[in-house]
Amino acid sequence: DIQMTQSPSTLSASVGDRVTITCRASHAIDWLAWHQQRPGKAPRLLIYRTSYLESGVPSRFSGSGSGTEFTLTINSLQPDDFATYSCQQYHSYPWTFGQGTKVDLK
Amino acid sequence: EVQLVESGGGLVQPGGSLRLSCAASGFTFSDSWMVWLRQAPGRGLEWVATTNQHGNEQYYVDSLKGRFTISRDNAKNSLYLQIHSLRAEDTAVYYCAKKGGTVNVWGQGTLVTVSS
Repeated sequence: DIQMTQSPSTLSASVGDRVTITCRASHAIDWLAWHQQRPGKAPRLLIYRTSYLESGVPSRFSGSGSGTEFTLTINSLQPDDFATYSCQQYHSYPWTFGQGTKVDLK
Repeated sequence: EVQLVESGGGLVQPGGSLRLSCAASGFTFSDSWMVWLRQAPGRGLEWVATTNQHGNEQYYVDSLKGRFTISRDNAKNSLYLQIHSLRAEDTAVYYCAKKGGTVNVWGQGTLVTVSS
C-alpha cells in the first residue's frame, strides 16, 4: 500500500498568511488530490491531479509536486480556510489518505 | 445540484450487521462509479470500497474485505454498504461519494456507533 505522510500535523496562521502543506508518498505516484474538511462537516474536494482546482474553489488555493513530494499552498488565508486538509493518492488501490493537517488561528 | 444523502447509521451491538444506503440525485447515477469512505472519531479519512457503474466490479480495502459489501440499484439511484460482524473499531462516520477520477462529491455522512 502507498503510505501518505503530511506535515505539519497542525499549522497556526493568521488571516492573510500564505501557508504551505506538504504531502509525501511512500512510492512515486502520478498525481494526488487535496480535500478540505471544516469542523463537523463533510470533506470537499479542492484539487485533483495534483494541480487542477475543482469547480468553485478559489484561486488562492494551488497544488504542485511530482513523484513522492507534493504541496498545497493557500495564498492570503481567509476565515473560511481554517479547516483540516488531507491529501489522497488515487494512483492505485487501496486509495490512501494523509493523516490531515489542521490549519488553526494563531 | 448533485446530492448524496446517506442513511441507515445508528447504534449497533458488537457482532451485529447494518446496511447503509445512499440516495443520489442531480447526476446520471447509472453512469457513475461510486465510493464508500469512513472517518473514525478524531481520525483521518479511510477509503472503504468502490464499485463501477454497473455494480459488477468492486474494490475493497484488504482489512475490511469479507465483512463489507458494496452494491447498488441503478433503478433506484441508490448505493449500499452492507456490514457484518461489526466491531468497536468500525465506529465512524460513513460517507458515500461519487467518483470522477477521485472522489469529487461527498455526502454528508451517517454515523455508525458499535457499542454494547
